[in-house]
Amino acid sequence: DAGVIQSPRHEVTEMGQEVTLRCKPISGHNSLFWYRQTMMRGLELLIYFNNNVPIDDSGMPEDRFSAKMPNASFSTLKIQPSEPRDSAVYFCASSGQTGRRNEKLFFGSGTQLSVL
Amino acid sequence: DQQVKQNSPSLSVQEGRISILNCDYTNSMFDYFLWYKKYPAEGPTFLISISSIKDKNEDGRFTVFLNKSAKHLSLHIVPSQPGDSAVYFCAASFSGYALNFGKGTSLLVTP
Repeated sequence: DAGVIQSPRHEVTEMGQEVTLRCKPISGHNSLFWYRQTMMRGLELLIYFNNNVPIDDSGMPEDRFSAKMPNASFSTLKIQPSEPRDSAVYFCASSGQTGRRNEKLFFGSGTQLSVL
Repeated sequence: DQQVKQNSPSLSVQEGRISILNCDYTNSMFDYFLWYKKYPAEGPTFLISISSIKDKNEDGRFTVFLNKSAKHLSLHIVPSQPGDSAVYFCAASFSGYALNFGKGTSLLVTP
């Protein structure tokens, strides 16, 4: 298995532009997570999907952020408009655990976002 | 507010010695704890975990200790190797919910 695939690896954009980050989870996994890593806050959970349905989006910073999971093999995280403070590494992770446990997450390599 | 805290941003240890990474948590509902390891330009990878019903779990050179009364866990690496140099994240969850991560501790193992 290729693991969790994220694209692009790096994104540099100007303030005000729309940014779309993409994620392909591991085939068969039913949970998908978007995390953001910054020096100040470490790894923050942004949103969590289970069986393509958003379960908790309370970590999404504000309305400028949105996430979708149209099917089991694809998810997007969109920022519109982007701001310099959105600069961070964004990770997608998936988990195949059913029932109670979602702990063993498999992470992608991340997208390094720089908003100028 | 951070519910999982790693108060040491960095740690340097000599090869062959023990590395001890610490983690504190505030939510007494957490019932599962994990450590993840992250190399530069890669995503975190699972290292070891422990359930709240245990106080120790060992896997090769890695041992995690849990002290529920103190809301504290630690990761011991013995002996430390240069390849262990990475950022280590402590994480916790309850009832199978999504993981809460700490800010990470950067470990450097010197030859």
